[in-house]
Amino acid sequence: GQNIDQPTEMTATEGAIVQINCTYQTSGFNGLFWYQQHAGEAPTFLSYNVLDGLEEKGRFSSFLSRSKGYSYLLLKELQMKDSASYLCAVMDSNYQLIWGAGTKLIIKP
Amino acid sequence: IAGITQAPTSQILAAGRRMTLRCTQDMRHNAMYWYRQDLGLGLRLIHYSNTAGTTGKGEVPDGYSVSRANTDDFPLTLASAVPSQTSVYFCASSDGTQETQYFGPGTRLLVL
Repeated sequence: GQNIDQPTEMTATEGAIVQINCTYQTSGFNGLFWYQQHAGEAPTFLSYNVLDGLEEKGRFSSFLSRSKGYSYLLLKELQMKDSASYLCAVMDSNYQLIWGAGTKLIIKP
Repeated sequence: IAGITQAPTSQILAAGRRMTLRCTQDMRHNAMYWYRQDLGLGLRLIHYSNTAGTTGKGEVPDGYSVSRANTDDFPLTLASAVPSQTSVYFCASSDGTQETQYFGPGTRLLVL
């Protein structure tokens, strides 16, 4: 079966760095997406990785290792507004997104 | 540009009633999707449409139907609602099937 694993909840301090991990087992691979979802709102796109390596976009970076079935989202200089759920999703061989349950990130002052 | 709109924002529905959730996008995206999101679970695909005039079944299609008469609209119908269909429903669209998906604000549905 297809499976996406990510931690249920993480806590970090304002101004710090946090890494959210995602491991996956899917039927085929056509890219990995990270989305941010604030409580009561829609998911919004953060990043896309299809090749191995690190993609940097401002305070957010995303890493992919296809051979290990592994990705992480790195958030730097954490702000209170970064408190949200972070969703990992893999596009399978049928070009459908398989979603993890999300990691709830709590930022403390 | 509104992006994707969904209606209603929320709804309380009696079991056995028929309900249509509306979704409209103004980005001229070819592909559209319906997901449900339940606590502790990832988003699950209900139905999708790769282009106007075509639809396909996702992971959890039972009890739901869709149509795609034109590019902009992708309504989701619950023919006879059951309490297990209580969920938050998100509509999404993408320019192509391999492209980034963009989400509407969601419809919160409670079936009693």
